Amino acid sequence: SQQGEEDPQALSIQEGENATMNCSYKTSINNLQWYRQNSGRGLVHLILIRSNEREKHSGRLRVTLDTSKKSSSLLITASRAADTASYFCATESGNTPLVFGKGTRLSVIA
Amino acid sequence: GAVVSQHPSRVICKSGTSVKIECRSLDFQATTMFWYRQFPKQSLMLMATSNEGSKATYEQGVEKDKFLINHASLTLSTLTVTSAHPEDSSFYICSARGDSQAITFGSGTRLTVV
Repeated sequence: SQQGEEDPQALSIQEGENATMNCSYKTSINNLQWYRQNSGRGLVHLILIRSNEREKHSGRLRVTLDTSKKSSSLLITASRAADTASYFCATESGNTPLVFGKGTRLSVIA
Repeated sequence: GAVVSQHPSRVICKSGTSVKIECRSLDFQATTMFWYRQFPKQSLMLMATSNEGSKATYEQGVEKDKFLINHASLTLSTLTVTSAHPEDSSFYICSARGDSQAITFGSGTRLTVV
């Protein structure tokens, strides 16, 4: 079953701007992960944040996790045209499979 | 790092034929493998979970007789789409979990049934 809900579904920004995507989930989790997918391609793992962490950084990526609100956000700073892709959050609980959100389609216009 | 090889990356088949997709863990033993399906502009939907040496567990609404999953070894799982129809055209992605509990994804298979 699909657990994550992402918003917005689609986001279009100018190069250089920041892009923020949000993800909400329903049950307790061990960790939350963000993935990127270029059109018609496989998934690229971006970052994993554990349930006891509140914020994590990786290059131009910043992820926050609020377990009380069951939500996470992914911020991409100083976006580039090459960041154009779909972004998915996925939650992991115990040994269950990753459950993916619906994704946000990001378009960065040069 | 852990690598999962998925083959073929693209396949076109005629309606009514069967197609086999392979998912191999190259440098680790995958105790559990997962198969997902993704329709255009949609998210990944879990189809089934397979553990080495046992029958796969299918998600609700996924026909086990149509999507045959075999996980005969700790490094290989296969998904066979039997009697494929145009509505089975989709992007199929496998992932594998080893002893480290980290999950690694294959690069996906684009299936087109004509």
